[in-house]
Amino acid sequence: GAVVSQHPSWVICKSGTSVKIECRSLDFQATTMFWYRQFPKQSLMLMATSNEGSKATYEQGVEKDKFLINHASLTLSTLTVTSAHPEDSSFYICSAVTGAYNSPLHFGNGTRLTVT
Amino acid sequence: GENVEQHPSTLSVQEGDSAVIKCTYSDSASNYFPWYKQELGKRPQLIIDIRSNVGEKKDQRIAVTLNKTAKHFSLHITETQPEDSAVYFCAARYTGGGNKLTFGTGTQLKVEL
Repeated sequence: GAVVSQHPSWVICKSGTSVKIECRSLDFQATTMFWYRQFPKQSLMLMATSNEGSKATYEQGVEKDKFLINHASLTLSTLTVTSAHPEDSSFYICSAVTGAYNSPLHFGNGTRLTVT
Repeated sequence: GENVEQHPSTLSVQEGDSAVIKCTYSDSASNYFPWYKQELGKRPQLIIDIRSNVGEKKDQRIAVTLNKTAKHFSLHITETQPEDSAVYFCAARYTGGGNKLTFGTGTQLKVEL
């Protein structure tokens, strides 16, 4: 159980275009989803916390107008990288938790974004 | 917020030896400490976790210890095997942050034959 599906697994886009990444909890309802970014050989850095039906909470230094997050249902959150630039190239990973306090984080497979 | 430090950044051991990775956290209110294993290009996978009301937890070759007074916790892998080679991340969750995790900087473990 507790499967998180993330699509696409990889994407290449041109500078200036937008890319949407989907994160779905397949067999549980995720009241909260988290979006992380990971540069090569670095740790996972939290970008934002996404709560179903409310606005996302962004971490310091993350531009909310550039990284649009929508959590319209208990099983789906999307991250849209708008006006992508080469420096946005990274590994984006979503994770989800159930509503239970201190429940483990379940990660999606990640999306490798390359902006040319 | 929480700050997690992890050491060492790289660790090389011979097959069959033990490996120890250490982490410290800053917020005494943190109460959940998972460890993740990440292979190249893949998602982090939870390998073991411990809550603040427990001092030690073991699962076969993997164990985690927690010292709340010193605010540090460690991952112990015994009888290491080549397939243990990966990047390991510790993390901490503090009660004031909802369910979000703060990750350590990672340890590249290499198990040599």
